[in-house]
Amino acid sequence: GENVEQHPSTLSVQEGDSAVIKCTYSDSASNYFPWYKQELGKRPQLIIDIRSNVGEKKDQRIAVTLNKTAKHFSLHITETQPEDSAVYFCAASERNTPLVFGKGTRLSVIA
Amino acid sequence: GAVVSQHPSWVICKSGTSVKIECRSLDFQATTMFWYRQFPKQSLMLMATSNEGSKATYEQGVEKDKFLINHASLTLSTLTVTSAHPEDSSFYICSARDFAGLTDTQYFGPGTRLTVL
Repeated sequence: GENVEQHPSTLSVQEGDSAVIKCTYSDSASNYFPWYKQELGKRPQLIIDIRSNVGEKKDQRIAVTLNKTAKHFSLHITETQPEDSAVYFCAASERNTPLVFGKGTRLSVIA
Repeated sequence: GAVVSQHPSWVICKSGTSVKIECRSLDFQATTMFWYRQFPKQSLMLMATSNEGSKATYEQGVEKDKFLINHASLTLSTLTVTSAHPEDSSFYICSARDFAGLTDTQYFGPGTRLTVL
């Protein structure tokens, strides 16, 4: 089955700097890669996703890149703000199969 | 985005009792719903996949007789934790996948915090 590795487990950045979180996956059949943001005690919220037919997707300060050959994808947050502080999870799946999540990255943005 | 509700948001029960958690997709039909468990500072661990009108598919290590799942309609799945024990205390989150159109985005419910005394 699919296995998703996520790094780093914790990340601290100064406000205004960029943050990068990386994930690798094992199943070459996976074709859907979402990123979720989870604040303490709350549900995971989808922030961006990418499918295997594109290499990059951007939404304002958030971007995701995908390298299918290397089986890794990354989340990039630019101009970080204190409200970006949360736990971020990557995930991977094929269509119609459950998402497999990484272990999460705790991002702290220091004002 | 689509809305998934979950009830109750928290529950405290005595050891040995059973607890039922409901998950509803409010504005779309979900033939498939998922149940996750999340321990403090850990990732979401898939427990089972709930399929409307058929038996749930459980992940390895999850006891199907302890965690009963029923998906009776396209908008409702229930998880019953039977004979709950303190080690079952956790944050239980459901999600539903919207397969409409070209998207299969997975939306999460707000979660249920279960505390077993």
